[in-house]
Amino acid sequence: DGGITQSPKYLFRKEGQNVTLSCEQNLNHDAMYWYRQDPGQGLRLIYYSQIVNDFQKGDIAEGYSVSREKKESFPLTVTSAQKNPTAFYLCASSMRTGNNEQFFGPGTRLTVL
Amino acid sequence: AQKVTQAQTEISVVEKEDVTLDCVYETRDTTYYLFWYKQPPSGELVFLIRRNSFDEQNEISGRYSWNFQKSTSSFNFTITASQVVDSAVYFCALSDNYGQNFVFGPGTRLSVLP
Repeated sequence: DGGITQSPKYLFRKEGQNVTLSCEQNLNHDAMYWYRQDPGQGLRLIYYSQIVNDFQKGDIAEGYSVSREKKESFPLTVTSAQKNPTAFYLCASSMRTGNNEQFFGPGTRLTVL
Repeated sequence: AQKVTQAQTEISVVEKEDVTLDCVYETRDTTYYLFWYKQPPSGELVFLIRRNSFDEQNEISGRYSWNFQKSTSSFNFTITASQVVDSAVYFCALSDNYGQNFVFGPGTRLSVLP
């Protein structure tokens, strides 16, 4: 089945450790996105990528890094520089940016202890 | 800068009531796109509708309907005869024509009580 997968569903890490969240899509979409959602809040854009080997910072990129080596994959690394990393992280993709809807993965809930 | 406002933070209705979720947007672009998404308790966002700025026709899909009015910069969402399964957070979103600015509203939490 076509879709977006994020793994794992729940992730626990100790403070000061980097952690990488996986996002894979088999929809042949060009664009991919990472959002952060805090409890009771809306979505904030961390990074997005319109094509392979290219990505742009979103509104809250500090403390995060990404790579886009393959069209299907857009992993997000939460570094130790991110002051409040505990949140729900959502990955999305779209056929092309702007005029097509974004499809979302199931999300990863990261808890830093 | 683009902005989406959803003034209703939380709404509670009793099953079978109709409910309208408000969305007001701001943009300087002449070409733009509006979206509605549903986020059930599981967390995954589900796409509901996309509307471009040149199409002001209202749309109906089953119990869902959308009212797009450029004159008031609004894109409201109505659920008719609400059901418990409609309980979720609903997000309105706005995008420019190039995808450089995809902005979500803060969301409205809808609770449909049996």
